[in-house]
Amino acid sequence: EVQLVESGGGVVRPGGSLRLSCAASGFTLDDYGMTWVRQAPGKGLEWVSGITSNGGGTGYADSVRGRFTISRDNAKNSLFLLMNSLRGEDTALYYCARGITGRYDHWGQGTLVTVSS
Amino acid sequence: QSALTQPPSASGSPGQSVTISCTGTSSDVGGYKYVSWYQQHPGKAPKLLIYEVSKRPSGVPDRFSGSKSGNTASLTVSGLQAEDEADYYCCSHAGRSNVFGTGTKVTVL
Repeated sequence: EVQLVESGGGVVRPGGSLRLSCAASGFTLDDYGMTWVRQAPGKGLEWVSGITSNGGGTGYADSVRGRFTISRDNAKNSLFLLMNSLRGEDTALYYCARGITGRYDHWGQGTLVTVSS
Repeated sequence: QSALTQPPSASGSPGQSVTISCTGTSSDVGGYKYVSWYQQHPGKAPKLLIYEVSKRPSGVPDRFSGSKSGNTASLTVSGLQAEDEADYYCCSHAGRSNVFGTGTKVTVL
C-alpha cells in the first residue's frame, strides 16, 4: 500500500525556518517525481514545488521561489521541503503528493505550518 | 502563476449532471495535455479523479469525465450522488510549475 507521511510542521515566528519531511512507503520512490502542495485554512489548494525522480530538476511557485528548497533522498525514501524566511501567508497545511506533472495520485494527510509571532 | 478560474459553486439533484469549468491561458491549460481534477471532502486529502485531461485512474467511477477546449477544461459529474458533495479543483502544468484552480463547491440538492 502506498503511504506518504508528512512531518516537521509546527509554530514558527515570521522570518524563521522549518524543514518538512515526507516519508514514502509501498512504492519505489526513485521511480516518481514528487510535489508539495499547500492549503491555507479555509482556502484552496496551491502548488508549491516539484522535483523530478532523480532530483535533477526542480520547480517552485513564484510565492516561494528563493525562500523554499525542495530535495529528496531516494535511499531513505524521503522528500523534504526547507522553508526559510517564513511569512504569515505561508501558514497552511502542507501535503506531499506522488507525481510531478499534475497526476498526483497519492497524497499524505498533511503537516500544519503556522507562522505567527 | 495566477490561479485557474473555476466557478465558486455548482449544484444538482441526485441523478442529474453537473459540469465545472476551469479557465486558464495558453501558457497553462491551453498549452499542455496535463490537466487534472481533484475531489476533496472536508478534512480530507484531495483525491485524483482525472489526469491528462480525460483519463481516469483505476477505481474512479466513469460518472466522472474530463475534456478540454482551448484554454478551458471541464469536469462533468453524471448521475450525481450524495457522496459527490465536495470541493473540486482543477490543476494544469505550466512549464516549470503547476497551477491549481480556485476550487468549486458542489452541492447535491
